[in-house]
Amino acid sequence: DQQVKQNSPSLSVQEGRISILNCDYTNSMFDYFLWYKKYPAEGPTFLISISSIKDKNEDGRFTVFLNKSAKHLSLHIVPSQPGDSAVYFCAASAERRGSTLGRLYFGRGTQLTVWP
Amino acid sequence: DAMVIQNPRYQVTQFGKPVTLSCSQTLNHNVMYWYQQKSSQAPKLLFHYYDKDFNNEADTPDNFQSRRPNTSFCFLDIRSPGLGDAAMYLCATSRGGAGSPLHFGNGTRLTVT
Repeated sequence: DQQVKQNSPSLSVQEGRISILNCDYTNSMFDYFLWYKKYPAEGPTFLISISSIKDKNEDGRFTVFLNKSAKHLSLHIVPSQPGDSAVYFCAASAERRGSTLGRLYFGRGTQLTVWP
Repeated sequence: DAMVIQNPRYQVTQFGKPVTLSCSQTLNHNVMYWYQQKSSQAPKLLFHYYDKDFNNEADTPDNFQSRRPNTSFCFLDIRSPGLGDAAMYLCATSRGGAGSPLHFGNGTRLTVT
């Protein structure tokens, strides 16, 4: 049962324009959301995160928006660059009571292609 | 540079022949994870260690075992690989605090013949 869903397997965007990657989740207990980027033959690398107490977090060209009522988050990349071409994974965690460990649930990923 | 290193990058094993994948970290993180990722699917957590405490996911097959002899190293043992175990195996670490991001190695691509 997929608790984190990325319904678009791929996205193609022209260089300089905005890329918007979407993610939906079903578990209302999730309290942290993270985005990872993965290049071929490499492991995923952490990109940006957001706590459920916020609705926006920005880091340079990357902004994550969280809409808790809709159980939806999105990653905006502005402006998009060819080097951003990669698979982007959305992930979520729910802190268990008495535990400091956040088990991550991943989506299936979205392949972003930024063309010149 | 502090990092998570997985060896080997590519592993070929025969059906039913035990195989061990290794992971080491220089981040001194408390938590180490093993994920399995099959093509076009989400990474699936197999188990994790918080220090020496082992946590197995309920749906992880008994065929998969893990060892963490010290903070820096963690091993994934597949006792009798089947064709369905062919996948990318990702090791990751984290400090373990709320919202702590995971740091991944580059993975081991396992092929079962």
